[in-house]
Amino acid sequence: DQQVKQNSPSLSVQEGRISILNCDYTNSMFDYFLWYKKYPAEGPTFLISISSIKDKNEDGRFTVFLNKSAKHLSLHIVPSQPGDSAVYFCAASVSGFKTIFGAGTRLFVKA
Amino acid sequence: NAGVTQTPKFQVLKTGQSMTLQCAQDMNHNSMYWYRQDPGMGLRLIYYSASEGTTDKGEVPNGYNVSRLNKREFSLRLESAAPSQTSVYFCASSEYVGNTEAFFGQGTRLTVV
Repeated sequence: DQQVKQNSPSLSVQEGRISILNCDYTNSMFDYFLWYKKYPAEGPTFLISISSIKDKNEDGRFTVFLNKSAKHLSLHIVPSQPGDSAVYFCAASVSGFKTIFGAGTRLFVKA
Repeated sequence: NAGVTQTPKFQVLKTGQSMTLQCAQDMNHNSMYWYRQDPGMGLRLIYYSASEGTTDKGEVPNGYNVSRLNKREFSLRLESAAPSQTSVYFCASSEYVGNTEAFFGQGTRLTVV
């Protein structure tokens, strides 16, 4: 039973447009959420996080939105750039312990 | 500043063989982790070490053992490798176990035949 689900295996977006990556979770105890980005043959790198006490966190072109009632979070990338093409993992934890990762969404940004 | 270093990068084992994956971090982090990544499964936590001298099981600990050798090093041992352990293994570290980001190594691609 996957506690963190990324239902879209892939997403294709035109350069300059918005990319929206979605993530759903089932465990209402999760209180900390993160997004990681992964390029081929590299380890994941941290992108942005959000605590359950917030509903939005922004860092440059990246914004994460959290909807606790729907148990849903999303990552918005505006504007999308070809260098953003990567696999994006959503992750969640209870106070940082035993972080659970989603299966990932592969983003393609077309020039 | 190397961050998190894993060795080896690639390994092929025969069923039943044993091996140890090494991991070292130079960021003075307290907590370290071992994950495996399989297609369609994301990353799954095998074991973690919240601080030097402690280790705890993650989601998928069966078939693995770990050693937190010192603050810098955290190794993962497969005592008797099985084909189901074919995967990409990632080591990670964080300042502490809590609401902080983790830094990952480049991964070890392990194939068990």
